[in-house]
Amino acid sequence: KNQVEQSPQSLIILEGKNCTLQCNYTVSPFSNLRWYKQDTGRGPVSLTIMTFRENTKSNGRYTATLDADTKQSSLHITASQLSDSASYICVVSADRMNTGFQKLVFGTGTRLLVSP
Amino acid sequence: GAGVSQTPSNKVTEKGKYVELRCDPISGHTALYWYRQSLGQGPEFLIYFQGTGAADDSGLPNDRFFAVRPEGSVSTLKIQRTERGDSAVYLCASSGDRNQPQHFGDGTRLSIL
Repeated sequence: KNQVEQSPQSLIILEGKNCTLQCNYTVSPFSNLRWYKQDTGRGPVSLTIMTFRENTKSNGRYTATLDADTKQSSLHITASQLSDSASYICVVSADRMNTGFQKLVFGTGTRLLVSP
Repeated sequence: GAGVSQTPSNKVTEKGKYVELRCDPISGHTALYWYRQSLGQGPEFLIYFQGTGAADDSGLPNDRFFAVRPEGSVSTLKIQRTERGDSAVYLCASSGDRNQPQHFGDGTRLSIL
């Protein structure tokens, strides 16, 4: 069964500190892995997307890593800001060649709270 | 508009009623997706349109759920004989290419009383 598991479920850090969120997946056939940020009451917004060829991808203070062998990914947030408070969702894409459609399997997210 | 637009943003109705949820994708995006997100969970796939046709509707939970995209742009998700378990946020996303991120709307929060 295709699954995406994230840890921790929730996290509180002080403003300015760094943090790392984890994602493990069992999705096949693997196409790519994405991290999304979802503010309360809003739709998810893409942060990074990586294929199996990529080990790391950065977007400002966000850096994602991917180990396709162990099927693990992490999202590292540097110098956290209050606006980073949100849910961070790991999403793995299963390649559906017959439809040209990449079916996304979502994790349940990590709820991050950045405290002043 | 610049992003995916969903209306209404909130919908409250009684059990047994019929509801329609609308999605306006980003202009030019041929792919459109519907998801359902329950509280504290990640979105779950419902249906995918490529152009006017539903290329994959394997996520629709039962035949009370139906979606259309008659002109390959705006899509409507229709739910008949609503049940309390249908209460969730219904998200729509669009993309222009299979390798590009899906752009999400802010969702419609559906509450069945």
